[in-house]
Amino acid sequence: KQEVTQIPAALSVPEGENLVLNCSFTDSAIYNLQWFRQDPGKGLTSLLLIQSSQREQTSGRLNASLDKSSGRSTLYIAASQPGDSATYLCATSAGSMEYGNKLVFGAGTILRVKS
Amino acid sequence: DAGVIQSPRHEVTEMGQEVTLRCKPISGHDYLFWYRQTMMRGLELLIYFNNNVPIDDSGMPEDRFSAKMPNASFSTLKIQPSEPRDSAVYFCASSLSTEAFFGQGTRLTVV
Repeated sequence: KQEVTQIPAALSVPEGENLVLNCSFTDSAIYNLQWFRQDPGKGLTSLLLIQSSQREQTSGRLNASLDKSSGRSTLYIAASQPGDSATYLCATSAGSMEYGNKLVFGAGTILRVKS
Repeated sequence: DAGVIQSPRHEVTEMGQEVTLRCKPISGHDYLFWYRQTMMRGLELLIYFNNNVPIDDSGMPEDRFSAKMPNASFSTLKIQPSEPRDSAVYFCASSLSTEAFFGQGTRLTVV
């Protein structure tokens, strides 16, 4: 059974700092890995999707990497801003396309960027 | 596309009442998922459908929960009878085999 762990559970940084959020998973036979952002009382917004054959994806100030063999992914946020404050969730999908995108989530990292 | 649409956004009901949550997936998506989010357990998959057919309902907590997808544009999650421990945020998500998109959720409170 896949287990996803996110470290740290919470992070507080000053504005402008570069930061890294970590995600680890126990079963390396994943189909893809997705990073989400969740604002308080809101739904999940997809940030980046990394297919199992890829090693990284970039969108603006965000860069996500994937190392299947070690069961790890990182989300790098450059030049953090107060608007980045949110909970960041990592999720893996099952190991074959027939399972679609049945996601297993980590508990999330609560990020606070101080102005 | 307006994204995944869920209704209602908030629901407060008394214990023992029937609750129906609704979801409209993104047009053209072939997978639909129902998740539940609580502080204690995080996000848990309840059930998912592929082309309107339930594929895996192993996450449904008990027989009080049921889900249907009568067509490609509509799904319901029903709880009957509801209990206080069912209080949570229920999310619907859809995907076209890869990236999943979530609705805004329904916050259910059972008193």
